[in-house]
Amino acid sequence: SYELTQPPSVSVSPGQTASITCSGDKLGDKYACWYQQKPGQSPVLVLYQDNKRPSGIPERFSGSNSGNTATLTISGTQAMDEADYYCQAWDSSTGVFGGGTKLTVL
Amino acid sequence: EVQLLESGGGLVQPGGSLRLSCAASGFTFSSYAMSWVRQAPGKGLEWVSAISGSGGSTYYADFVKGRFTVSRDNSKNTLYLQMNSLRAEDTAVYYCAKETNIAARPVDYWGQGTLVTVSS
Repeated sequence: SYELTQPPSVSVSPGQTASITCSGDKLGDKYACWYQQKPGQSPVLVLYQDNKRPSGIPERFSGSNSGNTATLTISGTQAMDEADYYCQAWDSSTGVFGGGTKLTVL
Repeated sequence: EVQLLESGGGLVQPGGSLRLSCAASGFTFSSYAMSWVRQAPGKGLEWVSAISGSGGSTYYADFVKGRFTVSRDNSKNTLYLQMNSLRAEDTAVYYCAKETNIAARPVDYWGQGTLVTVSS
């Protein structure tokens, strides 16, 4: 079965750039999306189709996807961005999530 | 305003059954595929199942195939997940999720989740 791999944790200082990777076999041939989840809350879509932002998502969230790796980049990271982030893709009509990355802003 | 309200969670013994429901409002329910996603306590998101807008196509994660059945009643704007032969590892918060109609069908709305606990 298809797998997506994320680093368990990423740390960033406020105002700096955070990058979270998501790796999967030929992931660049698929669309990736990213969800943000804060404690006790339901997930929120922050990027879809690799690099598109839904309405209401700040411009500091951007993305790329090539080869085997998709990347979520948060520029000028703010304290409010501290959360778990999950990448997701589809493989043969089956949804797959990455294991999630805890972003710590310190 | 889109709303997704799950219900039906609770405590069930191993080997037992449970049916989850998700009442949808604020959009044309039959026009959108829907998914179930779960999250075990302290763990990550896990895709469970999806169903097309008409209900004619269904999809399952390998770990629930043959045990879970997704369905929908478009006349009632309700999504269901019938869960049979439940195992301890099925313990999780189950989210109902509305997919978009664009390529790769990202989820734009999530319910608040309903907790299923499988334990004797």
